[in-house]
Parts: sequence; structure tokens; C-alpha cells
Amino acid sequence: AQKVTQAQTEISVVEKEDVTLDCVYETRDTTYYLFWYKQPPSGELVFLIRRNSFDEQNEISGRYSWNFQKSTSSFNFTITASQVVDSAVYFCALNGGATNKLIFGTGTLLAVQP
Amino acid sequence: GAVVSQHPSRVICKSGTSVKIECRSLDFQATTMFWYRQFPKQSLMLMATSNEGSKATYEQGVEKDKFLINHASLTLSTLTVTSAHPEDSSFYICSAHSGRGAGEKLFFGSGTQLSVL
Repeated sequence: AQKVTQAQTEISVVEKEDVTLDCVYETRDTTYYLFWYKQPPSGELVFLIRRNSFDEQNEISGRYSWNFQKSTSSFNFTITASQVVDSAVYFCALNGGATNKLIFGTGTLLAVQP
Repeated sequence: GAVVSQHPSRVICKSGTSVKIECRSLDFQATTMFWYRQFPKQSLMLMATSNEGSKATYEQGVEKDKFLINHASLTLSTLTVTSAHPEDSSFYICSAHSGRGAGEKLFFGSGTQLSVL
């Protein structure tokens, strides 16, 4: 069975603080893909990153960085120097590869206070 | 710009009526489309997988007779909520897959907020 767990339901930080959103996944597939999406109050899903199971390199994109560790089945997301515009719900998602169905975690609501 | 167009963005209807939601891939042919439902402050739950030219595959617990899915062309999938009731009020969002390969990024529509009175 595939499962994505985002243990943090809500996080509140003050602008300019760094914040890490946790994601732990379960899958029996050897080939799989992990994603992070941002969902602002308007509702649309904004793609942030995709990582395949064979690529454990961490990635940095501006203020965003991702730490993929297969040994702990985690794919954590860090926002550096958070801004009010980062306030949104962030979803981690898993694709087992065979069906292209995305299994979403429960999401983490990030509130960045000015 | 958006590569997946979803309409309408918001619909309010009376209980017992049917509502159709459209999902179009704008600049690619989507062999597979997915329909998700999201209740307030909850995650996205996959309802069904729609494959062009064949019957949709529904997830466990989703009533296929209530949520009719049609994927008649490579660029259009529709979800019809038949005889809608207040408990069907939710945010419905579609996604499209180009079929180029496993794990390809899904493109999402902007969602439809359905409110059933």
C-alpha cells in the first residue's frame, strides 16, 4: 500500500524565519516519484518539485530546498527566509509510477505572519 | 499559462439537480485524466481515473452512477455529479497526464467549488 504522511497539520512562523515541512512516505515500489505542491487560498495546485526514487540529490531553488532521504523514506521541504506570500497549504505526493495516480498527504497549512 | 482548463470554477445548485464539470488539456493530448475531490481543510482524494475511449476506473467507495465520467476525446474529460445533494458540496479538481512516461508531472486544473443547497 502507498501512503504519504505529513504530520504537521499547521505551522505558524514569523516572516524571515526558516521553516521545514516534513513528509514521510510508504511504498513497495522500487521506482516511484515524489512531488510537492502548493495550494494557495485560491485553490489551484502549484507544482513545486518532482523527484524520482533513483535521484537522492538534494535540490535548491531560490528560497526553497528539498532533502530526499530514502533511508528514512522522507522528502522534507524547507523554505528559507519565509515571506507572507508563502502562506498556503503544502502537499507532498507520491506516484508509484505504474498508474500515474498521485497519492497526497494530508497537507500542512503554513501561515507566515508579517 | 494554464495547460489544463477546468470549468466552471464555481457552481451553486439546488439539491437533486445534475452538474457537469469540464476539464480540458489545452496544448497536449491527455491520454489519462484524474478527478480528485477535496473537502474543506482536507487532502485531495482520488475519485477516478479517466482514460480516453474507455470506461473510467473508480476508487473504492466512489459511486460510479453518481459521478459520471466521460473522456470522449484526448483533450476533454467531464465529470457529472448526478442528483447532487448537500453532502456532495466539495472542491473538485482534475489533472491531466500526457502519457509520455511514468511519473510525469501532472497538470492540474484550477478546480471547481460545488455548493449544493
